Amino acid sequence: AQKVTQAQTEISVVEKEDVTLDCVYETRDTTYYLFWYKQPPSGELVFLIRRNSFDEQNEISGRYSWNFQKSTSSFNFTITASQVVDSAVYFCALSEAGNDYKLSFGAGTTVTVRA
Amino acid sequence: NAGVTQTPKFQVLKTGQSMTLQCAQDMNHEYMSWYRQDPGMGLRLIHYSVGAGITDQGEVPNGYNVSRSTTEDFPLRLLSAAPSQTSVYFCASSYSSGARTGELFFGEGSRLTVL
Repeated sequence: AQKVTQAQTEISVVEKEDVTLDCVYETRDTTYYLFWYKQPPSGELVFLIRRNSFDEQNEISGRYSWNFQKSTSSFNFTITASQVVDSAVYFCALSEAGNDYKLSFGAGTTVTVRA
Repeated sequence: NAGVTQTPKFQVLKTGQSMTLQCAQDMNHEYMSWYRQDPGMGLRLIHYSVGAGITDQGEVPNGYNVSRSTTEDFPLRLLSAAPSQTSVYFCASSYSSGARTGELFFGEGSRLTVL
């Protein structure tokens, strides 16, 4: 069975600090997909990124970057120069080929950015 | 576009009562799903559907029923509410194939309390 572990329950940083969220996954499939979602205090869930298992290139989108390492089964997420608006719960998720719409989520990491 | 619309946003039930959470999407997505969100447990998949007339169980299906008579609608029924079903429920939809599979569009959530 697939599994996603986000060991960090809560992270608190001061504005402009960098913050890295860890995500470790387990799957027996060789083809799978990894995701990150954001849930701000308002409660809605927002898609951030989708990455397939064959693409190990790191990705950067503005202040967000993702580090995918198959060797350690990790898909970590870094926010550079954090801002108060980055305060949210962040979820890592995994799906497997053939059921790639069916996501299994980690427990989430709550990020609080203090001004 | 309205996206994914869930109703009601809040509901209080007594143990043993039944109710239906409504979900509608206007993006012509094949895939629709229901998740529940509980503290420390992330989002857990209850039921999902890959098209009209097709439904399947997720990780925590007990106590819930679904049907999919149209592409747009995917209601979730609680048959006999229990306090353990107190949770926030999210409906989500996405394409069921292609490069955007797994990019879930979520409704705003429905907060259910069972007394």
